[in-house]
Amino acid sequence: DTEVTQTPKHLVMGMTNKKSLKCEQHMGHRAMYWYKQKAKKPPELMFVYSYEKLSINESVPSRFSPECPNSSLLNLHLHALQPEDSALYLCASSQDHRHFSDTGELFFGEGSRLTVL
Amino acid sequence: RKEVEQDPGPFNVPEGATVAFNCTYSNSASQSFFWYRQDCRKEPKLLMSVYSSGNEDGRFTAQLNRASQYISLLIRDSKLSDSATYLCVVVRNRDDKIIFGKGTRLHILP
Repeated sequence: DTEVTQTPKHLVMGMTNKKSLKCEQHMGHRAMYWYKQKAKKPPELMFVYSYEKLSINESVPSRFSPECPNSSLLNLHLHALQPEDSALYLCASSQDHRHFSDTGELFFGEGSRLTVL
Repeated sequence: RKEVEQDPGPFNVPEGATVAFNCTYSNSASQSFFWYRQDCRKEPKLLMSVYSSGNEDGRFTAQLNRASQYISLLIRDSKLSDSATYLCVVVRNRDDKIIFGKGTRLHILP
């Protein structure tokens, strides 16, 4: 079982809804990531938080808004999404970003499968 | 040219056979290389790191060829449970960006 917990596992929302995806880890990791994965495609990096500060934003549209309330939690706030935003959203964590670069140890949650109608 | 390229497959291989696949990368300044495994509708998981000297873990061997800019994964005595998508991961030197390849699908046939 993964030590990164994501909720909800499934989410269906309309284009005018506001919803949030949540991610939690208690491994003491200081880097947390949001990835988006479409079917039969690799994960695409969206955001990286390092020591609770946003360090990378891969030019993600503003309808996706990340938040890191503390070192264990990572949220992704969703507003006015489009049907093409339907995908699996994966949260991941690593000891810190440099540690990942050295060891490749990136721990993924099971993902939140989002459908936008 | 894409920064990280993999043959998408699928590779259909009988149980017990040896299978190998490569991943090429375009940025010679790439610094770290890994193989991840992703089962259908599951999250990716680290399989192994890749070093210039080669890295072996049981039936799995990973190698890095910096001169030709590719990494490889060899699976010996393949098992049904090896069926998965294998993702090549490259970390770019200048900004530590993590780049996933599109993955190679492997089906082990009974």
